[in-house]
Amino acid sequence: GENVEQHPSTLSVQEGDSAVIKCTYSDSASNYFPWYKQELGKRPQLIIDIRSNVGEKKDQRIAVTLNKTAKHFSLHITETQPEDSAVYFCAASIGGYSTLTFGKGTMLLVSP
Amino acid sequence: DGGITQSPKYLFRKEGQNVTLSCEQNLNHDAMYWYRQDPGQGLRLIYYSQIVNDFQKGDIAEGYSVSREKKESFPLTVTSAQKNPTAFYLCASSTDHNTQYFGPGTRLTVL
Repeated sequence: GENVEQHPSTLSVQEGDSAVIKCTYSDSASNYFPWYKQELGKRPQLIIDIRSNVGEKKDQRIAVTLNKTAKHFSLHITETQPEDSAVYFCAASIGGYSTLTFGKGTMLLVSP
Repeated sequence: DGGITQSPKYLFRKEGQNVTLSCEQNLNHDAMYWYRQDPGQGLRLIYYSQIVNDFQKGDIAEGYSVSREKKESFPLTVTSAQKNPTAFYLCASSTDHNTQYFGPGTRLTVL
């Protein structure tokens, strides 16, 4: 089955810096890659996703890039703010009603 | 997100006791999922259902059971066979576009 590796497990940055979280996946059939943000004690919330027919997607300060050849995808957050502090999860799926396989998460801490 | 509810928010279980966690959605989603979250472990899939009256085991189904009698509801029972049930349990639902939306979660503690 699918295996998703996520790095780093923790990431500390200063406010205003950029943050990058990387994930690799094993199943070349995977074609859907969402990113979730989870604040302490809360539900994961979808912040951005990308499908395999595009290489990059942006939404204001957040962007995701996908390299299908290398089987990795990354989350980029620019101009970080303290409210970006949370745990971020990547996931991969072959689409349709198939299940998501999640990475183990990255705890991002943005210091003022 | 607001269309998926879970209850209770906190649940305490005694040794040898079965407990049932509720998950309801009004998003008209066909698929529903149950995940378990432990610190540092990410989200692990327990069971999922793509259609009413049908469900499949996920990666860690042992000690759990589910039912899907209605499209809107997907309750999870944590049985006494689950030896380490203390965790945060998350329910999710999706359409065939695969985007999953999560409920607020139930925190289960074994006393």
